[in-house]
Amino acid sequence: DIQMTQSPSSLSASVGDRVTITCRASQSISTYLNWYQHKPGKAPKVLIYAAFRLQSGVPSRFSGSGSGTDFTLTISSLQPEDFATYYCQQSYTTPMYTFGQGTKLEIK
Amino acid sequence: QAQLVESGGGVVQPGTSLRLSCVASGFTFSAYGMHWVRLVPGKGLEWVANIWDDGSKKNYADSVKGRFTISRDNSKNVLFLQMNSLRVEDTGVYYCTRDSVMDVTNWFDPWGQGTLVTVSS
Repeated sequence: DIQMTQSPSSLSASVGDRVTITCRASQSISTYLNWYQHKPGKAPKVLIYAAFRLQSGVPSRFSGSGSGTDFTLTISSLQPEDFATYYCQQSYTTPMYTFGQGTKLEIK
Repeated sequence: QAQLVESGGGVVQPGTSLRLSCVASGFTFSAYGMHWVRLVPGKGLEWVANIWDDGSKKNYADSVKGRFTISRDNSKNVLFLQMNSLRVEDTGVYYCTRDSVMDVTNWFDPWGQGTLVTVSS
């Protein structure tokens, strides 16, 4: 099974900060990597699919990069509504998709 | 727009059963594969099961294989998850979500709001 490891597990930042979250796969997954945002009590929401493709309607301050085993999600300028938990997900071994453990982004 | 609404969660004792439902609207349900994903306290998101658009193929996470059954009724736009022999570690929020595909890559969109399952004695 492919393991997905995110870092950091939690992060404190301020509005306007540039934030980067990292996701590492236990084996190469090409660009089969998605990023989701999840707020308590809400439905999770896809931000980025195929490593760098921005989902329609997602603000351009979100971007994704990487291939192989190492990936990043970057938020260029944090907004108040961005405080949430972020998950990466590999879609290389369909349908047994696996998620990272999550990164909780909190207000400093 | 596409919408998913789950129901059927509750508080149950270990060893008992529960059936979750997910009603789909705003898209051609029968054209999409569907998944159940759960949010486990302290552990994050875990993929549980999926079913092909026509219901012909199903897959399960090892943690639920043999105890959970995914099914669908395309005439009524409903996805189900029959959960038997429930364990404390099955506690979590259960989401249904649609398989989105472009070329050879997949992602989950949209997701429902989730239904809470609590397994406790």
